[in-house]
Amino acid sequence: AQTVTQSQPEMSVQEAETVTLSCTYDTSESDYYLFWYKQPPSRQMILVIRQEAYKQQNATENRFSVNFQKAAKSFSLKISDSQLGDAAMYFCAYVAGTASKLTFGTGTRLQVTL
Amino acid sequence: NAGVTQTPKFQVLKTGQSMTLQCAQDMNHNSMYWYRQDPGMGLRLIYYSASEGTTDKGEVPNGYNVSRLNKREFSLRLESAAPSQTSVYFCASSLRGRWEKLFFGSGTQLSVL
Repeated sequence: AQTVTQSQPEMSVQEAETVTLSCTYDTSESDYYLFWYKQPPSRQMILVIRQEAYKQQNATENRFSVNFQKAAKSFSLKISDSQLGDAAMYFCAYVAGTASKLTFGTGTRLQVTL
Repeated sequence: NAGVTQTPKFQVLKTGQSMTLQCAQDMNHNSMYWYRQDPGMGLRLIYYSASEGTTDKGEVPNGYNVSRLNKREFSLRLESAAPSQTSVYFCASSLRGRWEKLFFGSGTQLSVL
């Protein structure tokens, strides 16, 4: 069964600094997709970044980038120049191909301090 | 620019009562989903609808029913609420499937006493 593990329940970063959130997954598939979703205190989940496994290049969205290590089954999220608005729960998620279920990790709560 | 709209935002039920959670999307998406979020467990899929007229069970369907009323609307019904169904419920949609970006509603906090 596919699993997604986020080993850091909570992280803290100072404003303007960089933080990396970890995610590992277990799969025997070669074709899959990985996601990071953000859940701010407003509760609404928002997609931060999406990675297609067949693409070698790491996805980037402004201050957010990933380090995708396919062999190690690792998918970490790097947030650069952290802002107060980045404080949220961050969920890593995985789906294989077009037919399987989307599996979420248990989340990492990110605190941003002044 | 509404996206995915869920109602109600909060609800308190007594054990055995029934209720329906409403969800509507205005993005012409084919696929819609109902998730529940419990502390320390991430999101788990209850039911989904790949297209208008179809519904399928997810990971935790027991105690729930769904209706894909039309392309826009996907409702979740609790026939006889139980305390174990206390959770935050999210509706989501995507253009085609789960490998794409999901758009989420703002959630329903449900407490069953």
